[in-house]
Amino acid sequence: KQEVTQIPAALSVPEGENLVLNCSFTDSAIYNLQWFRQDPGKGLTSLLLIQSSQREQTSGRLNASLDKSSGRSTLYIAASQPGDSATYLCAVYQAGTALIFGKGTTLSVSS
Amino acid sequence: ETGVTQTPRHLVMGMTNKKSLKCEQHLGHNAMYWYKQSAKKPLELMFVYNFKEQTENNSVPSRFSPECPNSSHLFLHLHTLQPEDSALYLCASSPKGLAGGFEQFFGPGTRLTVL
Repeated sequence: KQEVTQIPAALSVPEGENLVLNCSFTDSAIYNLQWFRQDPGKGLTSLLLIQSSQREQTSGRLNASLDKSSGRSTLYIAASQPGDSATYLCAVYQAGTALIFGKGTTLSVSS
Repeated sequence: ETGVTQTPRHLVMGMTNKKSLKCEQHLGHNAMYWYKQSAKKPLELMFVYNFKEQTENNSVPSRFSPECPNSSHLFLHLHTLQPEDSALYLCASSPKGLAGGFEQFFGPGTRLTVL
């Protein structure tokens, strides 16, 4: 059974820092991996979708990498800002199942 | 309206009430999903509909009853809920169902509180 783990569970950094959020999964037979952002009490905003054949995707200050063989993905946020404060969720797509989510990393960026 | 919309955004109900959550997608997708997000737990899938047919029921109690009248609308009918059912309920849609890893697009969610 696929399990997705995100480390750390919470992270506090000062504005301007570069940071890395980690996601690991136990079964490498995935289609895609997706990173989401969730603001308190709100729905999910898709940040980046990495297909299984890709190694990374970039959008603005965000860069996500995928290493299927080791079951790992990282989300790199450059020059963090207070507006980046949110919970970041990692999820994997597998054949015949819905998205399987991690519990998320709650990020707080102080000004 | 664009994307995936959900109504109501907030709902408070007693254990004996009957209420319904509504989801509508404006993306031309054929698959729709209900997810539940409880405090301190990962999002978990409840139901999947593909071309209006239910293809997944993730062992959800019968007090939750989904309905998909067409590919654009999805309902979740609630009756005799328990306080532990209080959670954020998220709707999502994708071009097709679970096979193929199609990207899912999420609505803003309904925050449900059961008293």
